[in-house]
Amino acid sequence: KAGVTQTPRYLIKTRGQQVTLSCSPISGHRSVSWYQQTPGQGLQFLFEYFSETQRNKGNFPGRFSGRQFSNSRSEMNVSTLELGDSALYLCASSWGQEPSSGNTIYFGEGSWLTVV
Amino acid sequence: GQSLEQPSEVTAVEGAIVQINCTYQTSGFYGLSWYQQHDGGAPTFLSYNALDGLEETGRFSSFLSRSDSYGYLLLQELQMKDSASYFCAVKYRNNLFFGTGTRLTVIP
Repeated sequence: KAGVTQTPRYLIKTRGQQVTLSCSPISGHRSVSWYQQTPGQGLQFLFEYFSETQRNKGNFPGRFSGRQFSNSRSEMNVSTLELGDSALYLCASSWGQEPSSGNTIYFGEGSWLTVV
Repeated sequence: GQSLEQPSEVTAVEGAIVQINCTYQTSGFYGLSWYQQHDGGAPTFLSYNALDGLEETGRFSSFLSRSDSYGYLLLQELQMKDSASYFCAVKYRNNLFFGTGTRLTVIP
């Protein structure tokens, strides 16, 4: 079956603009998480959605937001872009709430955002 | 909060064995996972320890000791394609908190 799909793969934005990234999870998966990856900060959790509800949120400013649709597809938005927002944004999907297992999260290849 | 520390870089010879350590300060987590990420690629799952002890998956093994807040990933019979970054992660409320990552370079 198809994996996690993220679009766009690469984009360049200007400081102050906003950006929307899209994620299509694996079919049947209801949980979508977003992560930011930078050389300096590593992989950091942004937020997680399950059945259209945000369940958890990482330590990021309110400029970072997201949503999930009824078909489990998710989008994240970053407003008023700053140079420091340049990063790889990764989406991951899983079937649902399975805290006893560590191998049910599948990542997309990410969206590379460059802010100039 | 969750804090996981790993060595930043490790270099090993093709065919050898290498161990990548992960020490953590966290609580209430369900287990320790390991992910591999090649340059430009997505993190992919390698191994998971729900309980203390050793888990073996082919050339990869992972170990967890909750009493020592410590785990490691063991890679045997290293191949050039194993050159990548390796991350330990704890799963907390269905989300992953990643370690600082270890860049493994395999040399001929």
